[in-house]
Amino acid sequence: NAGVTQTPKFQVLKTGQSMTLQCAQDMNHEYMSWYRQDPGMGLRLIHYSVGAGITDQGEVPNGYNVSRSTTEDFPLRLLSAAPSQTSVYFCASSYSRSDQETQYFGPGTRLLVL
Amino acid sequence: GENVEQHPSTLSVQEGDSAVIKCTYSDSASNYFPWYKQELGKRPQLIIDIRSNVGEKKDQRIAVTLNKTAKHFSLHITETQPEDSAVYFCAAPRTGRRALTFGSGTRLQVQP
Repeated sequence: NAGVTQTPKFQVLKTGQSMTLQCAQDMNHEYMSWYRQDPGMGLRLIHYSVGAGITDQGEVPNGYNVSRSTTEDFPLRLLSAAPSQTSVYFCASSYSRSDQETQYFGPGTRLLVL
Repeated sequence: GENVEQHPSTLSVQEGDSAVIKCTYSDSASNYFPWYKQELGKRPQLIIDIRSNVGEKKDQRIAVTLNKTAKHFSLHITETQPEDSAVYFCAAPRTGRRALTFGSGTRLQVQP
């Protein structure tokens, strides 16, 4: 199993550009999430999904869209990039069973918005 | 929603000493408390977790304790080694959701 994969690893954008961060998992996990990590602030939840076709907002959703058309994929879209979105983005997934809550993280995407 | 506070933000110990990191949470319904280790430039990796029906869990040099009454949990690392140097995050489930709320992290430096 590849686990949780993310592409690209690194991206530079200009203010106002749009892009999609890709996330995929091959563990048949129902739950998937997107976090952003900024220095000194830990990881903050952007959006999450409890299954295909179902998404919900986290604590910092503004400026981001998600969709979940398949169990495997959970892309994150930046509609109009801003310098405040410069961050490291992590995708994570887990099972839905209450005794299998371990979240597995992807390797991250480092985004720089100029 | 859930609020998780983590202390200290930085911790420096001598090799062989013990390290303790503490977290408090706000949602009394929280029942699962993981700890993640993140090395520089890497993804967070789960190192230990505890559920609310136990007060302590150990895995070799790592242990986690939970006090549900006081709503705090702690990570204990004994006989620290230089490879333990990393940022450690505690977390708790977001109310009604599978996603996590993370503490702000503790940078542990083990001096050889």
